[in-house]
Amino acid sequence: EAGVAQSPRYKIIEKRQSVAFWCNPISGHATLYWYQQILGQGPKLLIQFQNNGVVDDSQLPKDRFSAERLKGVDSTLKIQPAKLEDSAVYLCASSLGVGPTDTQYFGPGTRLTVL
Amino acid sequence: AQKVTQAQTEISVVEKEDVTLDCVYETRDTTYYLFWYKQPPSGELVFLIRRNSFDEQNEISGRYSWNFQKSTSSFNFTITASQVVDSAVYFCALKSTGFQKLVFGTGTRLLVSP
Repeated sequence: EAGVAQSPRYKIIEKRQSVAFWCNPISGHATLYWYQQILGQGPKLLIQFQNNGVVDDSQLPKDRFSAERLKGVDSTLKIQPAKLEDSAVYLCASSLGVGPTDTQYFGPGTRLTVL
Repeated sequence: AQKVTQAQTEISVVEKEDVTLDCVYETRDTTYYLFWYKQPPSGELVFLIRRNSFDEQNEISGRYSWNFQKSTSSFNFTITASQVVDSAVYFCALKSTGFQKLVFGTGTRLLVSP
């Protein structure tokens, strides 16, 4: 079974530029998550989708971050404009459902460097 | 509030040594789930185990074992006879019925040298 796919793996941009990340979850997984992992910290949830609807985006900096999950499968996360503090690894995860027993499976992440 | 504490920032061992990674959690919910993930240098978080709050039986999977103690709110992870391939950052995480976000600790970096 294929895992969670993400691209690109690495991205370097200048501050104030825009960037987009793509995620393809495990087939059949209704729930998709985007996490931000700053160096030396654990992942922090940015946004959670159930099919193509947003379940939780309380920690998404909405003035610069946006995400969508059209058709309830693939998802994109965008940052516009980027700031230096956005340098981090952006992890996508998916799970079958939203319950506490649903295990999240993670992709390889996109390492973003903002100069 | 939900919180996971991994007090060990980094542990270095020599191959074949046993090593225990500590995890202490806080939650007001009576039903919750604890997880361990491994993050190798490639960056992907690899799921290792999920344990619910009603099952305090220790679990063993090959060289890995987990000790869950509700009395001390701990869910420790032991690797027996460590190998170089075990070098990674290990995260403990918590999810409860009352707070359904997965809350991670800050991770413990394990370095296993030959």
